Amino acid sequence: GAVVSQHPSRVICKSGTSVKIECRSLDFQATTMFWYRQFPKQSLMLMATSNEGSKATYEQGVEKDKFLINHASLTLSTLTVTSAHPEDSSFYICSATDNRAPEAFFGQGTRLTVV
Amino acid sequence: AQSVAQPEDQVNVAEGNPLTVKCTYSVSGNPYLFWYVQYPNRGLQFLLKYITGDNLVKGSYGFEAEFNKSQTSFHLKKPSALVSDSALYFCAVKGNTGGFKTIFGAGTRLFVKA
Repeated sequence: GAVVSQHPSRVICKSGTSVKIECRSLDFQATTMFWYRQFPKQSLMLMATSNEGSKATYEQGVEKDKFLINHASLTLSTLTVTSAHPEDSSFYICSATDNRAPEAFFGQGTRLTVV
Repeated sequence: AQSVAQPEDQVNVAEGNPLTVKCTYSVSGNPYLFWYVQYPNRGLQFLLKYITGDNLVKGSYGFEAEFNKSQTSFHLKKPSALVSDSALYFCAVKGNTGGFKTIFGAGTRLFVKA
């Protein structure tokens, strides 16, 4: 199956700093990438959908200035959590699809801890 | 609006016994349906999908799922559970009539006892 690599797997940062998370499709061109947030023992909450070369579409309630998404190429999307606060601590997961198949493929996830 | 319900927070089964993880859905038009599995601190792994055709679809690791249009269900099954199947399972639905977001259920934690 298609492979999506997410990096880093874990990150600890100080409150007020910014953190960048990368999501790469390794063996296919990802026309669309999705960013999710998962709280403990809960389902995935879709944060935003990004298409290569265009601005991301954010879900209601997600601050676009706080969660910056860039999808500059068909194999890379980045999520930057700006001015992170402890309440931003969570598990962030990306997924990607090339739109030839209906299923998306997921990265390994990033555990963000803001101290 | 699309929605997915997984009525069970947790399913317990003994190793070697059959398992079922339930899922019902609501979507306009014909749905694409998926099952994913998540191990601790990992992303989701794709198990199987239903698009059209045979109502019984087979996927990875011996899992299968049965699409039932009249009951709007897509239950995940496996004839003989393994301890290593213990994980968090998500059912997901994607409409094929515009708005191609994938909506996930709340997840069902499967415990398989040796």
